[in-house]
Amino acid sequence: KAGVTQTPRYLIKTRGQQVTLSCSPISGHRSVSWYQQTPGQGLQFLFEYFSETQRNKGNFPGRFSGRQFSNSRSEMNVSTLELGDSALYLCASSLETGGANVLTFGAGSRLTVL
Amino acid sequence: GDSVTQMEGPVTLSEEAFLTINCTYTATGYPSLFWYVQYPGEGLQLLLKATKADDKGSNKGFEATYRKETTSFHLEKGSVQVSDSAVYFCALSHNNNDMRFGAGTRLTVKP
Repeated sequence: KAGVTQTPRYLIKTRGQQVTLSCSPISGHRSVSWYQQTPGQGLQFLFEYFSETQRNKGNFPGRFSGRQFSNSRSEMNVSTLELGDSALYLCASSLETGGANVLTFGAGSRLTVL
Repeated sequence: GDSVTQMEGPVTLSEEAFLTINCTYTATGYPSLFWYVQYPGEGLQLLLKATKADDKGSNKGFEATYRKETTSFHLEKGSVQVSDSAVYFCALSHNNNDMRFGAGTRLTVKP
């Protein structure tokens, strides 16, 4: 079956712009989580959506937001981009939410902010 | 808060050498523990997991045992291959998908 699909794979933006990233989870998976990966901070949890509701949110400013649609597809948005937002944004899906769930990750969207 | 500490890399080994990547954690209660692997240009893939103390996770020759007394989940493999070259992440989670990852350890295996 198809894996987690993230689009776009690469994008370049300038400071002050906004960006929307998309994630299609594995069919049947209802939870979608987003992570930011940078060389300095490593992997950091952004937020998790389950059945169209945000369940958890990491320690990121309000410029970072997301949503989940009825078909479980998810988008995340970053407004007023800053240089420090340059990162690999990873989406992960799982069947359910909860501690022992296995997350299946997409290949990521690499954002460069100039 | 919860956190994971894993050994600094990079680690360079010759093919067929023994691999150990240390991982320790700080957490309340009994988290689930994971090892994920990331190959160049790809997302993370689950390598193995353990959900309670003394559980041993294993996959593709890799093993790790959940040690509550030492709060550790060290990754081991008896004989590494060139194809094992990747970045390895230790991680924990409690009751949600807010997974805490270690910094990652880059492994290079030379023929």
